[in-house]
Amino acid sequence: GAVVSQHPSWVICKSGTSVKIECRSLDFQATTMFWYRQFPKQSLMLMATSNEGSKATYEQGVEKDKFLINHASLTLSTLTVTSAHPEDSSFYICSASSAIRLMNTEAFFGQGTRLTVV
Amino acid sequence: GQQLNQSPQSMFIQEGEDVSMNCTSSSIFNTWLWYKQDPGEGPVLLIALYKAGELTSNGRLTAQFGITRKDSFLNISASIPSDVGIYFCAGQVTGNQFYFGTGTSLTVIP
Repeated sequence: GAVVSQHPSWVICKSGTSVKIECRSLDFQATTMFWYRQFPKQSLMLMATSNEGSKATYEQGVEKDKFLINHASLTLSTLTVTSAHPEDSSFYICSASSAIRLMNTEAFFGQGTRLTVV
Repeated sequence: GQQLNQSPQSMFIQEGEDVSMNCTSSSIFNTWLWYKQDPGEGPVLLIALYKAGELTSNGRLTAQFGITRKDSFLNISASIPSDVGIYFCAGQVTGNQFYFGTGTSLTVIP
């Protein structure tokens, strides 16, 4: 399958600071990337969908000014958690799909980023 | 966003036993996917289903796309210890958006 790389794998930050998480598709062009949040022992909750060159579409209840998403190229999307607070601590996972490779009915995941805000 | 109902929530089985889990939705989906997630890792795609009624196998795994397009099933035959993990179903409607099931935690006892 296609390879999606997420960086960093884990990060600890102080409350009030911002954290950027990168999601890269290594061997295909990702026309669409998705960002999920996962709490311990729970399912993945879709936060937003981003298409290359367009503004992200956020799910209901997700603050777009809090979670800034940029999808500037076909291989990179970033999620910035702004003014992070302890309640933002979670496992963040990206996935990518590609209409170019006719993969738009499958999604491949990064390895996730464990964010801890202290 | 939407969430799919997945059952059972958890399973504890003996090595060698077969496993069945299912996923239901109030909405119709065009695609069903099944993923496995190990702790601290992202989900890994196991099987993708594209047509109602479709039955697809991947080794010891078999998944079916329900006729109503509102459900899907995953079976694992002759379970082994490395099958341990959390299994998620995911459904896609349109526009590339995927929604995930609540997950089934599988424990295999040697």
